[in-house]
This record gives sequence, C-alpha cells and structure tokens, in this order.
Amino acid sequence: DAGITQSPRHKVTETGTPVTLRCHQTENHRYMYWYRQDPGHGLRLIHYSYGVKDTDKGEVSDGYSVSRSKTEDFLLTLESATSSQTSVYFCAISESGTVETQYFGPGTRLLVL
Amino acid sequence: RKEVEQDPGPFNVPEGATVAFNCTYSNSASQSFFWYRQDCRKEPKLLMSVYSSGNEDGRFTAQLNRASQYISLLIRDSKLSDSATYLCVVSRASNYQLIWGAGTKLIIKP
Repeated sequence: DAGITQSPRHKVTETGTPVTLRCHQTENHRYMYWYRQDPGHGLRLIHYSYGVKDTDKGEVSDGYSVSRSKTEDFLLTLESATSSQTSVYFCAISESGTVETQYFGPGTRLLVL
Repeated sequence: RKEVEQDPGPFNVPEGATVAFNCTYSNSASQSFFWYRQDCRKEPKLLMSVYSSGNEDGRFTAQLNRASQYISLLIRDSKLSDSATYLCVVSRASNYQLIWGAGTKLIIKP
C-alpha cells in the first residue's frame, strides 16, 4: 500500500470554526489531491497540487484553501466550517498529472454541527 | 445530467454467479477509463484500467464502447470478498482530471 496518512481521522466541529486537515505521503509523488465524498455523488475534486507551493482549484473549491510547503504534506483548510462541508475527505497522490493511478489515504470523516 | 452515471444498486447476487455493471459518460472526448473498488468505510483502490480493446484480469473483464459512451465491468464466479462499491472513473479530456461516478454497490450472498 502507498504510504499516505491523513489526520485527524475523525473530527466534530461547530459551524464557523476553522478546520485544517493534513495529508502526509512517504512516496515522494509530485501530485496531491483533496476530494470530498458525499452520498449520491462521486468523489469531487476540491484542490490539487502539482508541486511545492503549486496548487490549483478543483470543481468544488469554494470555502476551502490549501497549502503545500513540503513535498510530503498537503493541508486542506476550511476557513469557516459550514454544515454543508460535513463529508468524508480523501487525500490522493499520483506520480504525474496524467491519467494514471491515484492512491488514496484512509479518509477523514468531518461532522460540522 | 451527470458526467458519469452509474446504477447505484445494490446488486444482490449469489456466490458463484456472474454480474455485470454498466457506466455511461457524457463527454465523447474522454480518453481514459477506470474501475475502482471501495470497501465500506475505506478508501477507493484501483481495480483495473479499461482499454479500447477490452481487457481481462482474472475473473474481471472490462469493456469500452465509445460509440455508445459506456464502459462495463463483468465479474465471473463472484466471491463473498467481491462485495464492495464499484466506482466508474473517466478522465476529462481538457485537463486530465478524473470524474467519478457515484458507484454501484454489490452484495454477494452465500
């Protein structure tokens, strides 16, 4: 299995509070991604990174920001959490940005009350 | 209309049976296609890529029909361990981003 960890694995927070989720990889892959998964929807891309300090928006980026200061770490921040951001968040990595296999972390379950 | 559509199921299938899923996609310019498997409360994992000529991996066969814009997955001699949600994934032609179907749930019964 690819070396990807996510922290925390579970979090309960209140509306309006900031939340940061961390993704850490030991594979030295260039590309990292944040997705959210909700019932009835496929995985939806929030943001992705193609290198240190290089990030871009996905299809559902509103309300989220990201940072990548090291190859191995990709942070997702909810500036002011809302109940609509209750979801399961997955981090993924890939060696290049072309359509090759993406490897996923175990996910973070976030509940915003 | 969603870019990638799947029958959510669940498909309840007896052990040993053959089961097939279809997935339709809307962008005719899509170039790459995959099936991922996701166990309950786990992360998705690649099951197989789907090639134009069709491909097989053990009990699993994937087919691509570009004219009708669908891909299929066939599982033969199903095992209890095949119980999972199967995710259809298509690349967006413009930027290689992956578009994910919502998944088809498969339950194999003894």
